[in-house]
Amino acid sequence: GQQLNQSPQSMFIQEGEDVSMNCTSSSIFNTWLWYKQDPGEGPVLLIALYKAGELTSNGRLTAQFGITRKDSFLNISASIPSDVGIYFCAGQPPGSARQLTFGSGTQLTVLP
Amino acid sequence: DAEITQSPRHKITETGRQVTLACHQTWNHNNMFWYRQDLGHGLRLIHYSYGVQDTNKGEVSDGYSVSRSNTEDLPLTLESAASSQTSVYFCASSDGGFSSGANVLTFGAGSRLTVL
Repeated sequence: GQQLNQSPQSMFIQEGEDVSMNCTSSSIFNTWLWYKQDPGEGPVLLIALYKAGELTSNGRLTAQFGITRKDSFLNISASIPSDVGIYFCAGQPPGSARQLTFGSGTQLTVLP
Repeated sequence: DAEITQSPRHKITETGRQVTLACHQTWNHNNMFWYRQDLGHGLRLIHYSYGVQDTNKGEVSDGYSVSRSNTEDLPLTLESAASSQTSVYFCASSDGGFSSGANVLTFGAGSRLTVL
């Protein structure tokens, strides 16, 4: 099946720093989604991307749908303690209209 | 407000026992999914349903079953619990229509299962 490579697996950053994480695949995707999971909770959607090249912001978060349709990145600017959590990318492959493939997650720790 | 509710949130059981995890959504979504989350594996799909009476196996379906008798509920049953099934289980749903956001998943808060 489709595989998503998400990196880095974990990050330790200082409060106020910017963060960047990405997902890549050898196959194309029609949709890219970014989720955040707080400890003890389910993943919550942060940003959805539907077109190649699309750049979308949600507050301090910015995500892009790669031109090749095989990658996406998420940037977080000026990190704050509540940014701590696991960030997942997810993609919808062509021909699998109702299913998502998930990356393995990036564990973000923000140090005061 | 519409929501997706999982119960129980925490359960401890013994090897060999049957366990059922409940998932109830009030979004009126057609699609419902069960995932398990384990360290190093991210979210892995167990079973899914695209509508009433429809069920399908995901990548890690062995030892699990689901049934869909109505739109709102997709219970997950572990027929004979094994220690390898100790995990956090997430239910999710999506609209499944034809709009661009139709396949965005909404997740429940999770059910943590420990099999001793």
